[in-house]
Amino acid sequence: DTGVSQNPRHKITKRGQNVTFRCDPISEHNRLYWYRQTLGQGPEFLTYFQNEAQLEKSRLLSDRFSAERPKGSFSTLEIQRTEQGDSAMYLCASSPTVRAGLAGWSEQFFGPGTRLTVL
Amino acid sequence: SQQGEEDPQALSIQEGENATMNCSYKTSINNLQWYRQNSGRGLVHLILIRSNEREKHSGRLRVTLDTSKKSSSLLITASRAADTASYFCATELPVQNAGNMLTFGGGTRLMVKP
Repeated sequence: DTGVSQNPRHKITKRGQNVTFRCDPISEHNRLYWYRQTLGQGPEFLTYFQNEAQLEKSRLLSDRFSAERPKGSFSTLEIQRTEQGDSAMYLCASSPTVRAGLAGWSEQFFGPGTRLTVL
Repeated sequence: SQQGEEDPQALSIQEGENATMNCSYKTSINNLQWYRQNSGRGLVHLILIRSNEREKHSGRLRVTLDTSKKSSSLLITASRAADTASYFCATELPVQNAGNMLTFGGGTRLMVKP
């Protein structure tokens, strides 16, 4: 399977614990995105990487959230001191860099998500 | 707050009927995309329409875009039970350094009864 993969698929943790999720994008995709989706809502953008550079992180929900993509391949999303309000589906997506002349062609490929439950 | 809002929030139809979902948004966009999500799964891209396009077709899907009204519609013709899912519109904004960040609406939950 050459799609976007995410691990784990489900995570149950106790309030106050730290959790880390992993995303493996499609191999030739330079761009990687993290979204959060709560029940009955659409995904909400969190952060974005172009290769290993995190170019947008102002929309991370709090300073308890951080993301890395150290070698420009897989990425991790960490939530420290989890709270019950962090319970949600965390989605990762990737896309290729838009080539010059193809502005506006920017489909994203989503992984299956990691469902986090904070007790 | 979310950029796009879908209407209706829920839609129930019989197999073979057409389903129409609408999306409204607030600011200028590069493009608008529609995604499908089966229960508890990831999102699947359906179709992208650029800001300078007015209509696009893909199989049983037809998307329209009216930038003057900041609205789009998704039509699924001859629906099938397998079309049962949530459908989201997403807008890509011309935001520097945000790549092609997508802003999603709340979705339309479609149920197609066999």
